[in-house]
Amino acid sequence: EAQVTQNPRYLITVTGKKLTVTCSQNMNHEYMSWYRQDPGLGLRQIYYSMNVEVTDKGDVPEGYKVSRKEKRNFPLILESPSPNQTSLYFCASSPTLPPEQYFGPGTRLTVT
Amino acid sequence: KNQVEQSPQSLIILEGKNCTLQCNYTVSPFSNLRWYKQDTGRGPVSLTIMTFSENTKSNGRYTATLDADTKQSSLHITASQLSDSASYICVVSGGSNYQLIWGAGTKLIIKP
Repeated sequence: EAQVTQNPRYLITVTGKKLTVTCSQNMNHEYMSWYRQDPGLGLRQIYYSMNVEVTDKGDVPEGYKVSRKEKRNFPLILESPSPNQTSLYFCASSPTLPPEQYFGPGTRLTVT
Repeated sequence: KNQVEQSPQSLIILEGKNCTLQCNYTVSPFSNLRWYKQDTGRGPVSLTIMTFSENTKSNGRYTATLDADTKQSSLHITASQLSDSASYICVVSGGSNYQLIWGAGTKLIIKP
């Protein structure tokens, strides 16, 4: 089944403790992206990747890192999480740009 | 500034009734407009995409319209069902870098 998977789905952590949210797609898509979604706001893009080893900042990249060593995986790294990064995070992939995007199920992150 | 605004913020209707959701945008140049459905706690799923030359597009009980002159789009839902309860998000692709500009969504609740 074609899908985008994210892990974990739920995560509660403390300020400053490094964490990684994994994202994997099995559709051989070149374009992958991370978004955060907060109440009352539209999805905001954090980082995106056009292909392996090619990443770029989105609208809200501060406090996040990404890597794209393989086509299928696009992990999101929070080196030192802070409470303002408490949010719902979505990974998405698509074959082309501008993308017909396929979204993962989301990761709800709480930073205390 | 490129923006997408949706109205109403939320809407409650009875099962079987019709409703129309609005999307106004200021994105220029315009590439395409997409409507997504997002169930609570899940990733958005694409309903329809409209390009500059398209005025109307249907997907089952969902009909999207686009007026590129007034920069307005609407999503009409016919004979609503309980499963239509979700947030509906308008996304416009455009701007100098063909970025995606997301609306904040309309939360639709269908009551039996």
